[in-house]
Amino acid sequence: IAGITQAPTSQILAAGRRMTLRCTQDMRHNAMYWYRQDLGLGLRLIHYSNTAGTTGKGEVPDGYSVSRANTDDFPLTLASAVPSQTSVYFCASRGPGVAGELFFGEGSRLTVL
Amino acid sequence: DQQVKQNSPSLSVQEGRISILNCDYTNSMFDYFLWYKKYPAEGPTFLISISSIKDKNEDGRFTVFLNKSAKHLSLHIVPSQPGDSAVYFCAARRNNAGNMLTFGGGTRLMVKP
Repeated sequence: IAGITQAPTSQILAAGRRMTLRCTQDMRHNAMYWYRQDLGLGLRLIHYSNTAGTTGKGEVPDGYSVSRANTDDFPLTLASAVPSQTSVYFCASRGPGVAGELFFGEGSRLTVL
Repeated sequence: DQQVKQNSPSLSVQEGRISILNCDYTNSMFDYFLWYKKYPAEGPTFLISISSIKDKNEDGRFTVFLNKSAKHLSLHIVPSQPGDSAVYFCAARRNNAGNMLTFGGGTRLMVKP
């Protein structure tokens, strides 16, 4: 069982370049999320999608865009990367549990120079 | 303004002793609280949750206590094992916000043999 697959695992990127982080799930979960993890700040929500065809803004959406063409894929795009977007990015999907627990991918470490 | 706070960035305990990780929140609209565990270079994994209508939930060595009047919850690990060494994130779900989770900044637990 793969769960959530993210790619790339890590990437170094020049400022101003466009970058897409890929996320695929095989659990047929409706809701998916993108978080960034920064030291001391925990995980902050960037964008989410409650179901295929819909997306919404999270806590820190500026500089990022997402799309949800189908249930399995939820890519995150940085149109013009800036150094403050250096972070570890986690994609997640929400399982069927009553508490709404999330299943996370292994993360994509992005460094913007 | 962080709605979920973990004020201790790190905690060190001896193997076999109790580990207590604390979390405070400000939003009374949270209806579920969750704990996640994260090892280096891996995504967070769900550990245990508690509904806001309960004050305790236990799962093996892990127990979460909720004090609603104090807006405080804690995770107890008894007995602590070296494999428990990880970063622990507290998270809270708002019942009127599409089941999105708000995370604390994390506490790094080190269990010494």
